[in-house]
Amino acid sequence: DQQVKQNSPSLSVQEGRISILNCDYTNSMFDYFLWYKKYPAEGPTFLISISSIKDKNEDGRFTVFLNKSAKHLSLHIVPSQPGDSAVYFCAASAKGAQKLVFGQGTRLTINP
Amino acid sequence: DTEVTQTPKHLVMGMTNKKSLKCEQHMGHRAMYWYKQKAKKPPELMFVYSYEKLSINESVPSRFSPECPNSSLLNLHLHALQPEDSALYLCASSQVGVGTGIRRELFFGEGSRLTVL
Repeated sequence: DQQVKQNSPSLSVQEGRISILNCDYTNSMFDYFLWYKKYPAEGPTFLISISSIKDKNEDGRFTVFLNKSAKHLSLHIVPSQPGDSAVYFCAASAKGAQKLVFGQGTRLTINP
Repeated sequence: DTEVTQTPKHLVMGMTNKKSLKCEQHMGHRAMYWYKQKAKKPPELMFVYSYEKLSINESVPSRFSPECPNSSLLNLHLHALQPEDSALYLCASSQVGVGTGIRRELFFGEGSRLTVL
């Protein structure tokens, strides 16, 4: 039972354009959502998070949108840069839980 | 400062060896975690320590033995591992737990790449 789903295994975007990564969840108890970026052979790096009391959070080039009714969140990166090429994981936690639930990841490639 | 430090970065061991992975954080976080990650997969939770007590063991084989000597340190003792245990082992920490508090982010170290021959 995959509670957090990233349905696109890969995404290719032109440098300078917008990258949109999507994530769906099924557990209505999730109230905190995070995005991580991972380069090969390194640990995941925290990018941005959002609480369920908000529908948008922005940090520089990164914006996360949350649509609670659709149980959907997305990460927008604009403008995309070559250094953004990595695997992006969506994760979620429920209040009182002790672990994050991760999606399967989306490999983003930024083309020059 | 959001640094979690793991040593060693690379470890090669035979199936009869005993080795340890070490993790340290100085962010004052009270929850620490061990994850295992295989190529092209998300991190897989192994253990959670909350306030220096083991709170979650995700049915991990006993050949992996965690230890939390104090609030800043986390060890993973390895003994009689199998080749299929080869993976990237990630330590992480969070302010309290990922389900409590205002800041619920999990911060990962760079990982220890383990190869079992």
